[in-house]
Amino acid sequence: EVQLVESGGGLVQPGRSLRLSCTTSGFTFGDYAMTWVRQAPGKGLEWVGSIRSQAFGGTPEYDASVQGRFSISRDESKRIVYLQMNSLKTEDTGVYYCLRDSAMVGYYYYYGMDVWGQGTTVTVSS
Amino acid sequence: DIQMTQSPSSLSASVGDRVTITCRASQDIANNLGWFQQTPGKAPKRLIYAGFNLQSGAPSRFSGRGSGTEFTLTISNLQPEDFAIYYCLQHNSYPRTFGQGTKVEIK
Repeated sequence: EVQLVESGGGLVQPGRSLRLSCTTSGFTFGDYAMTWVRQAPGKGLEWVGSIRSQAFGGTPEYDASVQGRFSISRDESKRIVYLQMNSLKTEDTGVYYCLRDSAMVGYYYYYGMDVWGQGTTVTVSS
Repeated sequence: DIQMTQSPSSLSASVGDRVTITCRASQDIANNLGWFQQTPGKAPKRLIYAGFNLQSGAPSRFSGRGSGTEFTLTISNLQPEDFAIYYCLQHNSYPRTFGQGTKVEIK
């Protein structure tokens, strides 16, 4: 069974840092890009950023709202993707979801966003 | 950046009705669009991928159409468990962008 489990959320003061983890199982982690999405209380879904698979350089992409403050990395041996959040703002408050993004395996393209974690809550408040 | 305009923002319908939700992309995204359902307190679930493909395990009353810039999600024979919020998402390019969401409520 494919599973994504987020951890690391909590209450943090503005300006401080937090690192979220997404532990994966049940699929070939290295084949897939991975994505973080967040949802502020009572609001819609917002893409935060993604990281490509190693086959495509393992490079990250970020939304403009977090560029320069957040960074995404992946540990292939542990099958974990991280979201490092620095200089947190109150508007970063919300539930953060980890998603399995797309994959290219041989000539076959797997459309992504099919598996979501349960989410972890981040509250930025003084 | 690609903007996704989703409409309507909300609708009221009865069990058994047929409803349609639309997403328009500000530029061509081919078929790189998914539809997601979210119920209160839960993570979203993918219903449709690549514009029109039904996710394994999703009920067949859900269907998607479109490519390029205009996409629709149709729910035929609305069931009580379908009252939820629906989102589209384009993953043709970065930044990924979601539609604003459509809340389907009971009339």
